Order: sequence, then structure tokens, then C-alpha cells
Amino acid sequence: AQTVTQSQPEMSVQEAETVTLSCTYDTSENNYYLFWYKQPPSRQMILVIRQEAYKQQNATENRFSVNFQKAAKSFSLKISDSQLGDTAMYFCAFMSVTGANSKLTFGKGITLSVRP
Amino acid sequence: EPEVTQTPSHQVTQMGQEVILRCVPISNHLYFYWYRQILGQKVEFLVSFYNNEISEKSEIFDDQFSVERPDGSNFTLKIRSTKLEDSAMYFCASLRTASTDTQYFGPGTRLTVL
Repeated sequence: AQTVTQSQPEMSVQEAETVTLSCTYDTSENNYYLFWYKQPPSRQMILVIRQEAYKQQNATENRFSVNFQKAAKSFSLKISDSQLGDTAMYFCAFMSVTGANSKLTFGKGITLSVRP
Repeated sequence: EPEVTQTPSHQVTQMGQEVILRCVPISNHLYFYWYRQILGQKVEFLVSFYNNEISEKSEIFDDQFSVERPDGSNFTLKIRSTKLEDSAMYFCASLRTASTDTQYFGPGTRLTVL
């Protein structure tokens, strides 16, 4: 079974600064997807960024980028130029490639506060 | 842009009552999911559904839970006899095919059991 670990429960960052959120996972599979989801106070789950395990290049999406270290099973999210609207809970998630096992396994999440 | 919708947004019920949570997945998606999030905790997988049958379910998804796709568009989660511990946010999600990667989430239904 896969597990996803987010060991930092909370982080705080000054507006316009950069922050990195950590995530590690455990799996015996070789091909899978990793995601970061954002959950603002509205509790909607919003996809931030995704990474395919077979791609060595780290995914980027505007101010969001990941540092994917497959051998270390590490998948951190970097938010550059933090904005007040980035204040939210962030969940790291794992998904197997095969359709029958395509459920998402989530970490416990991290609460990010962006200070003005 | 197509989106997953869920109704109601908030449901309050008495313990022991039956509730049905409704979801309309994105129209060309083939895989459907329910997840649960107890307040302050992580999002947990409940069940996945494909080709009109359950493909996987978690330990949480016991005999009190059932899912159905009654009419080709709606995807429902029924809790037969609600317990206090069923109070949570319930999210529906859909995935287009097994080879695509992104599950799209609905806005959630907040279930409160009194």
C-alpha cells in the first residue's frame, strides 16, 4: 500500500517570499502520478500541479514548481512570490497509473499562511 | 470548462437517518470516486466506480454505504443509517480514462449528523 507523509503541519511565509512544502511517499510501483492540491477555506479541492513519475523534468506551473526526487521518494512544492491568496491547506497526493487502482492517497496536509 | 457538481452543498440530518449525496461527474469521464474529509483531517478514499460497478473500496466503506449511477449522469453515495462519526465533507471526483492523470473534484457536500 502507498503512503504519503507530510511532516510539517503548518508553515508561514511573508508575502512575495518563497516557501517550500515537503512531501515524501512510499510505494513499490515504478510508474505513478504525484499531485499537490490546494484547499482554501471554502474547502474546494483545487489541483495545483502534477508530476508523472516517468518524467525526470520537474513540473512547473507559473509560480509553482516541484522538486521531484524519485530515488528518495520526495516531492516538494515550491511557491515563489507568495501571495495572500495562497493561504490554504496543501495536500500532497499519490495516484497509481493503472485504472483499477487509480484512487488518490493523500497526506495529512499542511496549513500555509501568507503574511502581508 | 466542464466541472464536477455536487448537491446539496450542506446537509444536516439526524443520527440513524438515510442520506443520499449526489454528484454529476464530467460527461465524458469513465471513473468516479467518493472521498471523505473529517474536519481538520486528511482526505480519505471511500470508493471507486467504473463500468457500473465498484472497482475498489476502502475499509471505511462498510455495509452502511452504497453507490449508484442510476441514470448515466448522476453518481450517488447513500449512507443508510448515519452515525455521528459520518459528519464530514464528502467529495466526488471523476477521471476521464485510466491513462489520464487528473481527477477533478466537485465542491463537496458538508454532512452534519446530529
